Amino acid sequence: NAGVMQNPRHLVRRRGQEARLRCSPMKGHSHVYWYRQLPEEGLKFMVYLQKENIIDESGMPKERFSAEFPKEGPSILRIQQVVRGDSAAYFCASSREGRDSPLHFGNGTRLTVT
Amino acid sequence: DAKTTQPTSMDCAEGRAANLPCNHSTISGNEYVYWYRQIHSQGPQYIIHGLKNNETNEMASLIITEDRKSSTLILPHATLRDTAVYYCIVRIHSGGGADGLTFGKGTHLIIQP
Repeated sequence: NAGVMQNPRHLVRRRGQEARLRCSPMKGHSHVYWYRQLPEEGLKFMVYLQKENIIDESGMPKERFSAEFPKEGPSILRIQQVVRGDSAAYFCASSREGRDSPLHFGNGTRLTVT
Repeated sequence: DAKTTQPTSMDCAEGRAANLPCNHSTISGNEYVYWYRQIHSQGPQYIIHGLKNNETNEMASLIITEDRKSSTLILPHATLRDTAVYYCIVRIHSGGGADGLTFGKGTHLIIQP
């Protein structure tokens, strides 16, 4: 059973470009979470999605950032007009439905904005 | 989610049991205790979780005090590969499904050869 798959592992963008980060959850998992980890800092929650629905986006910056989890295909975290401060590791996690379901994380996408 | 308190860092000798404490004195009745670890540059790895009873799996044991105000993660025979930051998290489970995790600063566990 494959784990949470994130791609690309490393992404380099120039200021002003768009970044698209993909996350394929584990088989049977219908919940997806995105986290960001800035250099030398802790993991910060960004957004929680179920299929075709955003459940909690309280950790998402109000501008330039968006996330989706379509009925078919991976979840996408999109960052428009990237700035140097967006450079970070972005981790995706998934879980099953249910009250007692741990989150399982991928190995992240490291975004570098030059 | 209830706040947790962990030591900033700990050392343990290779082959010995590593005991990582966590205080969660404001935990409520429907909050679970979760443990994750993050090895440098990798994604967080789920270790174990529990509500009231002690739990054991192939990675570790989780001991929760009777009043649930603290817990201890035990790695029975630590190896160098267990060097990581360990996060103790209390997490509420709402009726509809799984909710996210709030990570603190964790404990940096260093296994000494």
